[in-house]
Amino acid sequence: AQKITQTQPGMFVQEKEAVTLDCTYDTSDQSYGLFWYKQPSSGEMIFLIYQGSYDEQNATEGRYSLNFQKARKSANLVISASQLGDSAMYFCASHSGNTPLVFGKGTRLSVIA
Amino acid sequence: GAVVSQHPSWVICKSGTSVKIECRSLDFQATTMFWYRQFPKQSLMLMATSNEGSKATYEQGVEKDKFLINHASLTLSTLTVTSAHPEDSSFYICSASDGTGGDYGYTFGSGTRLTVV
Repeated sequence: AQKITQTQPGMFVQEKEAVTLDCTYDTSDQSYGLFWYKQPSSGEMIFLIYQGSYDEQNATEGRYSLNFQKARKSANLVISASQLGDSAMYFCASHSGNTPLVFGKGTRLSVIA
Repeated sequence: GAVVSQHPSWVICKSGTSVKIECRSLDFQATTMFWYRQFPKQSLMLMATSNEGSKATYEQGVEKDKFLINHASLTLSTLTVTSAHPEDSSFYICSASDGTGGDYGYTFGSGTRLTVV
């Protein structure tokens, strides 16, 4: 079974600064994928970034990058140049094959002007 | 990109009535649909997994007779909350998979806020 741990219930960041949201995972599978989603107050789940377990390069998508450290089983999300609109809940999730996504408890990010 | 349309966005119903939530994949075949429930300030909790044409597999503790899931076609899955009670008030969200996994293998609907009064 897979398990995702997000140890930061809440984080604050100054506008235009970078912030790192932590995520560690536990899996016995060799092939797996790691996701980050943003959930604003409206509730929708917005896909941000994906990292496959065999990807050698860290994933990047615009201001989002994933710091993938396989040996440490961590997949931290880095948001650069934070914007007020980045304030939301952020969830780390994993899957293996076509299994359901397993989510962490989430981190609430607040961007301060 | 892949789109899943979920309706209604929000619904208020009286205790004892049933509510149906629909999720439609608009531009791909959803071979598998995952249904989640989310309480305020908590994470998404998997309720059930359904494959097209098969009975849904429910997670432990989820009442299959209360939360009826139908996945009769590759583009439509429904969740019916039967005899709803105030404790069923929650945010329900579906996630459709085309079976490929990977970065775009899961597409979420926009969610349904259910309030039972």
